[in-house]
Amino acid sequence: EAQVTQNPRYLITVTGKKLTVTCSQNMNHEYMSWYRQDPGLGLRQIYYSMNVEVTDKGDVPEGYKVSRKEKRNFPLILESPSPNQTSLYFCASSLQGRPSDTQYFGPGTRLTVL
Amino acid sequence: SQQGEEDPQALSIQEGENATMNCSYKTSINNLQWYRQNSGRGLVHLILIRSNEREKHSGRLRVTLDTSKKSSSLLITASRAADTASYFCATDAGYAGNMLTFGGGTRLMVKP
Repeated sequence: EAQVTQNPRYLITVTGKKLTVTCSQNMNHEYMSWYRQDPGLGLRQIYYSMNVEVTDKGDVPEGYKVSRKEKRNFPLILESPSPNQTSLYFCASSLQGRPSDTQYFGPGTRLTVL
Repeated sequence: SQQGEEDPQALSIQEGENATMNCSYKTSINNLQWYRQNSGRGLVHLILIRSNEREKHSGRLRVTLDTSKKSSSLLITASRAADTASYFCATDAGYAGNMLTFGGGTRLMVKP
């Protein structure tokens, strides 16, 4: 089944404790992206990647890191999480990152930083 | 920054009625997409309309685009309880990469 998977689905952590949220897609998509969703703010893009070893900042990259060593994986790293990073995070992928491409979303990771 | 703004923020209707949601955006676009999100889950693509199209249909969905007014509408006909979800419009920035900017969404509740 074609899908985007994220792990973990739920995470509660404390301020400053490094964490990684994994994202994997099995559709051989070139483009992958991370969003955060907050009430009243919609989805905001954190980082995106057009292909392996190519990553760029989205609208809200501060406090986040990403890497794209393999085509299928695009982990999101929070080196020193803070409470304002409490949010619902979504990974997405699309075929080539063209504006007309459909984006496929993962199920989401709900992160709470205490 | 939010490019698309949905209106209304919340909509409650009875099963069988039509639901109309609107999206306004600020800058020129190449495409506009509509996505659906069931509570707490990932978004699912519904339909894409290009800037040179005025109307598009997919099943019970009808999308219109008015580039002169920088607005789009999503109509769901003969709504069902299973249509209860949040609906988002997403616009592209005109270039690949920073692909889509999402609005805040319309929360639709369809009462059986």
